Amino acid sequence: QQQVKQSPQSLIVQKGGISIINCAYENTAFDYFPWYQQFPGKGPALLIAIRPDVSEKKEGRFTISFNKSAKQFSLHIMDSQPGDSATYFCAAWGTGTASKLTFGTGTRLQVTL
Amino acid sequence: DSGVTQTPKHLITATGQRVTLRCSPRSGDLSVYWYQQSLDQGLQFLIQYYNGEERAKGNILERFSAQQFPDLHSELNLSSLELGDSALYFCASSLGTQGTEAFFGQGTRLTVV
Repeated sequence: QQQVKQSPQSLIVQKGGISIINCAYENTAFDYFPWYQQFPGKGPALLIAIRPDVSEKKEGRFTISFNKSAKQFSLHIMDSQPGDSATYFCAAWGTGTASKLTFGTGTRLQVTL
Repeated sequence: DSGVTQTPKHLITATGQRVTLRCSPRSGDLSVYWYQQSLDQGLQFLIQYYNGEERAKGNILERFSAQQFPDLHSELNLSSLELGDSALYFCASSLGTQGTEAFFGQGTRLTVV
């Protein structure tokens, strides 16, 4: 019940396109869902996060969509740029049995010119 | 800069040896988390401390131990090192114990030869 499943494993998008990464969870005790961006050799950097009381959150070109009933959430990167090329991790945590920050397996995004 | 400081940045040691990784959390953060990231792998949760007390444990090997000191910095001790322990070790910190923003350091790259 601690798993967070992430797809796709890798993604290639043309510059200007939309990148979409999906995650799903089982444990309903999760109540905070952050996304992290990681460049090679660097630590994960918090990108954007959402709580299940809202269905969408937008910050600049990054949008999280959240479907509580389906226990799924996704990251959309609009107008993708080569500088967005990185590995993206979804994560989840909450209370009780979910009280550790659990990460998805990561998506390696490459934005081509 | 996330405000989380990890030292050393790189560490090369021989099998069977013991090393200590250090983490200074962001100012004001009470929780410290340790994660292991092997080559092209996801982030595996090791252990969490909150204000000096152990709060959650992941798949941390018995050869590994950690502690959080009164000044809130934390150390991760890895002993009887094996080749398979080679990885990036990340520390993260947050104000609370769950459901809040967690910020990662730049990591310590451990190479066991």
